[in-house]
Amino acid sequence: QVQLVQSAAEVKKPGASVKVSCKASDNTFSYFGITWVRQAPGQGLEWMGWISAYNGKTKYAQKLQGRLSMTTDTSTSTAYMDLRSLRSDDTAVYYCARDVAARLGELNYLDSWGQGTLVTVSS
Amino acid sequence: DIQMTQSPSSLSASVGDRVTITCRASQTVSHYLNWYQQKPGEAPRLLIYAASSLQSAVPSRFSGSGSGTDFTLTISNLQPEDFATYHCQQTYSSPHTFGQGTTVEIK
Repeated sequence: QVQLVQSAAEVKKPGASVKVSCKASDNTFSYFGITWVRQAPGQGLEWMGWISAYNGKTKYAQKLQGRLSMTTDTSTSTAYMDLRSLRSDDTAVYYCARDVAARLGELNYLDSWGQGTLVTVSS
Repeated sequence: DIQMTQSPSSLSASVGDRVTITCRASQTVSHYLNWYQQKPGEAPRLLIYAASSLQSAVPSRFSGSGSGTDFTLTISNLQPEDFATYHCQQTYSSPHTFGQGTTVEIK
């Protein structure tokens, strides 16, 4: 099974940006999608958005539109999540996960997850 | 957005028990319903996809059922390693929303 390795924890000030990376261990990366999910302390899972590593198409959660960008680099099998204008309520563990479908509307499910990256937003 | 509601929010059970967790969608999600298990400090792990398909390497004591708006996850013969939080997720339409989670605790 593919392994996803995420970048290290970050501490940011309000208003700053953070970029989290997610590197896949095998060369099947471009056949799938990548979903980003976050989990605030003691809370449930929140779907942030999805990107197809196949064609770069993205879909973001409405509440994060304008602050969120997702990209992929198929040459290095790496996905990136960029969140701008950080607020204290963005403090969370951020997970990337492999979506077995390369397109939304197919049978999407998340079969491999990264280890999580803690992003702390504090002045 | 489709709202996913799990019940109960938490439950206490003993090793060997049969446990059922319910997930209800605010509108139909057909069979596009997945279940994940999460232990403290760990990433979630896929258990069931497409409402009732068991993910590879997941023990057969886990099963899922349902379609439309009502779904269940059943754990038969609960084992010590099953004490965790369980999340449902719909992937019928984006955003692919999750339920709030159900924590299974040791009685």
